[in-house]
Amino acid sequence: EVQLLESGGGVVQPGGSVRLSCAGSGFTFSNHAMTWVRQAPGKGLEWVSTISPTGTTTYNPDSVKGRFTISRDNSENTLFLEVNSLSAEDTAVYYCARRLVVVVGDTYYYHYALDVWGQGTTVTVSS
Amino acid sequence: QSSLTQPASVSGSPGQSITFSCTGTSSDVGGYNYVSWYQQHPGKAPKLLIYGVTNRPSGVSSRFSGSKSGNTASLTISGLQAEDEADYYCISYTGYGTYVFGTGTQVTVL
Repeated sequence: EVQLLESGGGVVQPGGSVRLSCAGSGFTFSNHAMTWVRQAPGKGLEWVSTISPTGTTTYNPDSVKGRFTISRDNSENTLFLEVNSLSAEDTAVYYCARRLVVVVGDTYYYHYALDVWGQGTTVTVSS
Repeated sequence: QSSLTQPASVSGSPGQSITFSCTGTSSDVGGYNYVSWYQQHPGKAPKLLIYGVTNRPSGVSSRFSGSKSGNTASLTISGLQAEDEADYYCISYTGYGTYVFGTGTQVTVL
């Protein structure tokens, strides 16, 4: 079964840091770009970071640049997100998601869509 | 990188069809055929319904369909069912590995 499992959330003090993990199983982790998405309580989804399959390239929206660092360990099939200088606005459920790859015969089609999601890990920033 | 605009809520009766929009710009929705749609039930992770504007992943009901015209993408749910009551989000690729998400639409089945 294809699965993503996040961990590392909890209650963090303002100004603190947190490192989230996402373990992939049931698929070839190193074939897929991976993304973190967050959702504040009662709010919509927000893209926060993406990393290429090899980990050499990362992408972030301007809103989180400098505070969010995405990385991966393909030998351990694990994705990470480190968030620094946390504030109340970072309180959210953080999801990891896999970029869709459609295989037709011997051809790989890389789509900008997220086809597998984890169950989420909750980060609460509070003193 | 502002959000794509979706109607806050849409409702319909069982068996009806509903369509709702996702409006962006020529830099995102209008510029790429990489619009995807997601369904999210309360407390659950999002689920991919449509990718590449019109394509359904294996296992997704044919009652869900997507389209695009200019800078606006649309999701249609045909034969509305009680289980379709959920939040729906669109996502568009915006170039250079970046994404922009929609504001979300709450679908209510009357």
